[in-house]
Amino acid sequence: EAGVVQSPRYKIIEKKQPVAFWCNPISGHNTLYWYLQNLGQGPELLIRYENEEAVDDSQLPKDRFSAERLKGVDSTLKIQPAELGDSAVYLCASSRARGSPLHFGNGTRLTVT
Amino acid sequence: GESVGLHLPTLSVQEGDNSIINCAYSNSASDYFIWYKQESGKGPQFIIDIRSNMDKRQGQRVTVLLNKTVKHLSLQIAATQPGDSAVYFCAESGGSGTYKYIFGTGTRLKVLA
Repeated sequence: EAGVVQSPRYKIIEKKQPVAFWCNPISGHNTLYWYLQNLGQGPELLIRYENEEAVDDSQLPKDRFSAERLKGVDSTLKIQPAELGDSAVYLCASSRARGSPLHFGNGTRLTVT
Repeated sequence: GESVGLHLPTLSVQEGDNSIINCAYSNSASDYFIWYKQESGKGPQFIIDIRSNMDKRQGQRVTVLLNKTVKHLSLQIAATQPGDSAVYFCAESGGSGTYKYIFGTGTRLKVLA
């Protein structure tokens, strides 16, 4: 099966600019996650979707971050405006159901200058 | 690409030897545990999982042990190969009926030729 696809792989922007990341999960996977990974650390959950519904967005900084998953398939994560501290790798993952392994994409490495 | 885990605990193992990577988890209510391998520039890759009703599970060259009494998880890799060099993360999930996968801080495995 095809894996989780993320784009772009790299993004460099100036602070205060907007940026968006895109994720296409594995076909048939209803649950989709966005994680943030800082250098030397484990992934940290930003938001979790079950189909179209965001069931856990408690750790998403809603003043500047937003996400959507239209039609319960692809998802986009947006930051507006970006800050220097947002520089990190943004990972998307999907799973078939609760209690199943997460399958990750290769992430988008964001650098904010 | 930029390396994941520059400041992580490091385990150095001679090629052909067995490796043991340890993880302490935080939530006694967690009932599902996963080990991931992350190579530089890539997303975490699923290795093996275990549910809380088991103490041990074996895969190909890997074994996961779960000790619920002390909230400890370990990953054993038999006959470690150069391709096993990566950062390894454990993740816990399922506490309180949620499926927010929480990742540990990771261990860097270096295989010495």
